[in-house]
Amino acid sequence: ETGVTQTPRHLVMGMTNKKSLKCEQHLGHNAMYWYKQSAKKPLELMFVYSLEERVENNSVPSRFSPECPNSSHLFLHLHTLQPEDSALYLCASSQEDPDTQYFGPGTRLTVL
Amino acid sequence: EDQVTQSPEALRLQEGESSSLNCSYTVSGLRGLFWYRQDPGKGPEFLFTLYSAGEEKEKERLKATLTKKESFLHITAPKPEDSATYLCAVGPPYSGAGSYQLTFGKGTKLSVIP
Repeated sequence: ETGVTQTPRHLVMGMTNKKSLKCEQHLGHNAMYWYKQSAKKPLELMFVYSLEERVENNSVPSRFSPECPNSSHLFLHLHTLQPEDSALYLCASSQEDPDTQYFGPGTRLTVL
Repeated sequence: EDQVTQSPEALRLQEGESSSLNCSYTVSGLRGLFWYRQDPGKGPEFLFTLYSAGEEKEKERLKATLTKKESFLHITAPKPEDSATYLCAVGPPYSGAGSYQLTFGKGTKLSVIP
C-alpha cells in the first residue's frame, strides 16, 4: 500500500449505530487530519493530530471521537449520528509543516 | 474570519481552449495559498503552494499566479484528462496549532470536452 488509505470506502449506518472510520498513511508523516466534505460546502477541518497529540478541534460535536494510536494510524469513532452528518470524510497527512497535505480517497458516509 | 471564493462554480471548455480559474481571498494574514485537484470519488491531490504576490508556479498545462487579493489557475490547451474540481485554500501565518487550519473554497468544476 502506498500513500494514504481509508476504510471502509462506503458506510451506511443508522442513527443509533456505532462505527469507526480508519485511516493509515504510508508516507512517514507525523501529522494527520480528518476533514468533512459535504455537497456544495467547502472542505472543513475537523481534527488534527501532530506527533500523536491532538492540536486542533474545530468545535466538532462529541458524537465524533478521534483516536490517533501512532503516527501512521488515525480513527474516527462515530455514534448516534444525524442525517446531516452524511458526507465524504477525508483523511490527510503531512510532515509537521502542514503546507503539503496528502489525502486519502475518503469514506462516503450515509446516515439513515 | 478568512474567506475564499472561487469562480466560476463550473466551467466547460473545448479541448485546446485555454482559460483561467479564479480564487479570491480575504484574510487577516497569509502564509500561503494552495491549489488542489479533486477527481470524482477521490481525495484532493496537491498541485501548488504560492507564498508571495507575484509568485508563479507551473506544472504541465497548469500555471498558478498570486496577487495580494486573488490567485489564478491558468489552463493552457486543456485536455479531457484535466477535467476535475479544482480547490483553492489559504493558510494563516505560522502560530502553533492555528497553522493547521486551511480555509478552502467550494471549488471550480472543470469539464474539458473532446
